[in-house]
Amino acid sequence: KAGVTQTPRYLIKTRGQQVTLSCSPISGHRSVSWYQQTPGQGLQFLFEYFSETQRNKGNFPGRFSGRQFSNSRSEMNVSTLELGDSALYLCASVVAPGGSSTGELFFGEGSRLTVL
Amino acid sequence: AQSVTQLGSHVSVSEGALVLLRCNYSSSVPPYLFWYVQYPNQGLQLLLKYTSAATLVKGINGFEAEFKKSETSFHLTKPSAHMSDAAEYFCAARPFGNEKLTFGTGTRLTIIP
Repeated sequence: KAGVTQTPRYLIKTRGQQVTLSCSPISGHRSVSWYQQTPGQGLQFLFEYFSETQRNKGNFPGRFSGRQFSNSRSEMNVSTLELGDSALYLCASVVAPGGSSTGELFFGEGSRLTVL
Repeated sequence: AQSVTQLGSHVSVSEGALVLLRCNYSSSVPPYLFWYVQYPNQGLQLLLKYTSAATLVKGINGFEAEFKKSETSFHLTKPSAHMSDAAEYFCAARPFGNEKLTFGTGTRLTIIP
């Protein structure tokens, strides 16, 4: 069974541009989360989606947004890019959230964004 | 708010020696706990998880971790280090019913031949 797929794997943008990253979860997984990984801040939670609805949101500015489609695929968008947005963006999926779910998150290999 | 502390951002051990990576969590209610490993230019791979079923948890690649509620700890161990264990290791926690993972700052493990 295919894992979590993230595209693109690498991209370079300049300040002020915007970027869209895509995540396809494992088949049957309905919850998708996004994390930002930087050397200085480590791994930080961005947001989580389930059934096309945002369930949780981390402490990031409004320039960071996301959405989930009916097939559970998710995209995140960063507008007006800043140098500090350079990071590895990781997507993770789980079968279903909440309740007594003990399922671990399965991570993709990430999209490495460089902002020049 | 929940927090996860990993003691030692860098740990070096000799090949064949014991690996011990430390993790402490802060929560009045023990959360779900996880250890993930990250190899260069890759995502996170789950090593093991604690979900209250057993305090000693065995994972992949010979790793195991023991949950100690009295010490709010979930340290990761491996009896004999292998060169392929060189990677960065992250401890993470999440509360029941919530998919938001809180990660520690990570420990980079170096294996000395």
